[in-house]
Amino acid sequence: DAGVIQSPRHEVTEMGQEVTLRCKPISGHNSLFWYRQTMMRGLELLIYFNNNVPIDDSGMPEDRFSAKMPNASFSTLKIQPSEPRDSAVYFCASSFSWPGLEGLAGAFNEQYFGPGTRLTVT
Amino acid sequence: AQKITQTQPGMFVQEKEAVTLDCTYDTSDPSYGLFWYKQPSSGEMIFLIYQGSYDQQNATEGRYSLNFQKARKSANLVISASQLGDSAMYFCAMREDYSGGSNYKLTFGKGTLLTVNP
Repeated sequence: DAGVIQSPRHEVTEMGQEVTLRCKPISGHNSLFWYRQTMMRGLELLIYFNNNVPIDDSGMPEDRFSAKMPNASFSTLKIQPSEPRDSAVYFCASSFSWPGLEGLAGAFNEQYFGPGTRLTVT
Repeated sequence: AQKITQTQPGMFVQEKEAVTLDCTYDTSDPSYGLFWYKQPSSGEMIFLIYQGSYDQQNATEGRYSLNFQKARKSANLVISASQLGDSAMYFCAMREDYSGGSNYKLTFGKGTLLTVNP
């Protein structure tokens, strides 16, 4: 079975440019997460979708960041305009959560991560 | 206070020996889950093993086992018969099931870099 797919794997762009990162979750998973990993801050949750609906975007750094999930098999994370401090590895992860039970203990299974996108903004 | 503490920034082990990577956690939730992930130099995050707070037995997955000591709030990862391919960063993570509706969140430790020597 295919795991979580992310593209591109590497992105180098100039400050001010728009960057779009893409993710295809594991088929059958209904929860999707975007993370950012840096040396200074470790792994940070940016946004969480459940059944394609954004549930928690409190980790999105600022308005320059936006994420969408138009359907169950595709999500994008967009940065516009990009800045050098956005340089990081961005991970997409997916998991299965028991429908209607998301607020209860044990509702979420383990998260499976994609290979990540290494973003460098110069 | 940090929710997940990994006190070993780096560890070395000889090939074929066992190694224990430490993880302590802090939560007041009665229900929670503990996870270990491996991140090799290629960068991907690989799920290794899961332990639920109510699980009676320690979790095992092949050469990986989780030494779960609930009273001490520790969830150490044990890798038996280390292989060169085990060299990687290892992250411990926790999911709190009653944390104000954020039971989907994983809180990660800072990681332990394991090097397996031939």
